[in-house]
Amino acid sequence: GAVVSQHPSWVICKSGTSVKIECRSLDFQATTMFWYRQFPKQSLMLMATSNEGSKATYEQGVEKDKFLINHASLTLSTLTVTSAHPEDSSFYICSAPRLAGTYEQYFGPGTRLTVT
Amino acid sequence: QQPVQSPQAVILREGEDAVINCSSSKALYSVHWYRQKHGEAPVFLMILLKGGEQKGHEKISASFNEKKQQSSLYLTASQLSYSGTYFCGTDSGNTGKLIFGQGTTLQVKP
Repeated sequence: GAVVSQHPSWVICKSGTSVKIECRSLDFQATTMFWYRQFPKQSLMLMATSNEGSKATYEQGVEKDKFLINHASLTLSTLTVTSAHPEDSSFYICSAPRLAGTYEQYFGPGTRLTVT
Repeated sequence: QQPVQSPQAVILREGEDAVINCSSSKALYSVHWYRQKHGEAPVFLMILLKGGEQKGHEKISASFNEKKQQSSLYLTASQLSYSGTYFCGTDSGNTGKLIFGQGTTLQVKP
């Protein structure tokens, strides 16, 4: 099956610093990728749609200047959390859809971000 | 809009059956079901497309009622490994963009 990787798997940073999370589709090209955030015991909340070659589309309530998304190639999307604060601590998961009749969604393993 | 799942939590004994429901207020193209273990990413179970289809995978099956915009996940003869949180994700326009329900926590006891 299709594989999506994320790096790093976990990161601890100090308040005010920025953190970059990478999402790669390893065996297929993804012109679109999605970024989700999940707080403990809650659902996956869609943050934004990452589009190769164009600007990301952010969901309502998500600050685009704080969560910078760059879809650098057909296999790589990055999410940068700028000026991180403790309330940004969460589990960040990317996914890449692959069209096989309908879009099958492949999730990365997730990145656990802790801001101290 | 976020689909609504019910029940919020289920506790079963091994071998018992369970049904998890997912209801949307929007017309749907597809419904995707996932299971997530604590601290891990969601694992894909199955996709159902509009047209009212049913699917089965070992002892886990699902149905999709397009008219009612509802999907149900059926877990039969549950095993300890079935424990986790189940999410339905809905796609309204075959875009790959999924909106997830709030999740149903399933605990299977020996």
